[in-house]
Amino acid sequence: GDSVTQMEGPVTLSEEAFLTINCTYTATGYPSLFWYVQYPGEGLQLLLKATKADDKGSNKGFEATYRKETTSFHLEKGSVQVSDSAVYFCALLDDSSYKLIFGSGTRLLVRP
Amino acid sequence: DGGITQSPKYLFRKEGQNVTLSCEQNLNHDAMYWYRQDPGQGLRLIYYSQIVNDFQKGDIAEGYSVSREKKESFPLTVTSAQKNPTAFYLCASSPRDTYFEGGYTFGSGTRLTVV
Repeated sequence: GDSVTQMEGPVTLSEEAFLTINCTYTATGYPSLFWYVQYPGEGLQLLLKATKADDKGSNKGFEATYRKETTSFHLEKGSVQVSDSAVYFCALLDDSSYKLIFGSGTRLLVRP
Repeated sequence: DGGITQSPKYLFRKEGQNVTLSCEQNLNHDAMYWYRQDPGQGLRLIYYSQIVNDFQKGDIAEGYSVSREKKESFPLTVTSAQKNPTAFYLCASSPRDTYFEGGYTFGSGTRLTVV
């Protein structure tokens, strides 16, 4: 079945450092891909999405590019802030059942 | 503003009791979902419903029950048969059409603790 694999955390960075969180997927066809963010004690918020190969999703300085050839959707940000500390989830949409399949999440801690 | 409302935010239950978590949405979404999140873990799907009066089991449905009598409501009952119910529960909704692009909308969650 379809699946999503994320790098294990926690990822600890200093403020203004470059961020990469790796995400790869296994799926039949070409699913839509998403990154969600969860701040402490809250639900998930959609951060960005891409619906077809080579699409780049972007929001709040975060970017991710849908790479069909490597089945990847890595999350990047050029300069992280303390307020970016959260758990980040990569997900794909199974478009036959309309279910989102999530990765296990990666915790990011940004230190001042 | 449209959104999903989960209540209560914190819930305490004695062992052996059933408890119902509320989830209401005013987004006119057809599909609704319940997920369970444990510390340091990802999301696991409990139940989902794509249309009123119909729902399907997810990956960890044992010990849980749901109903979908109205489009806007999808309550989750945690029964006494659930052996380890202490967790953070998240409800979500989505539109259901062929060109779906928007992702899910999540509620803010209910933290259930068995005492």
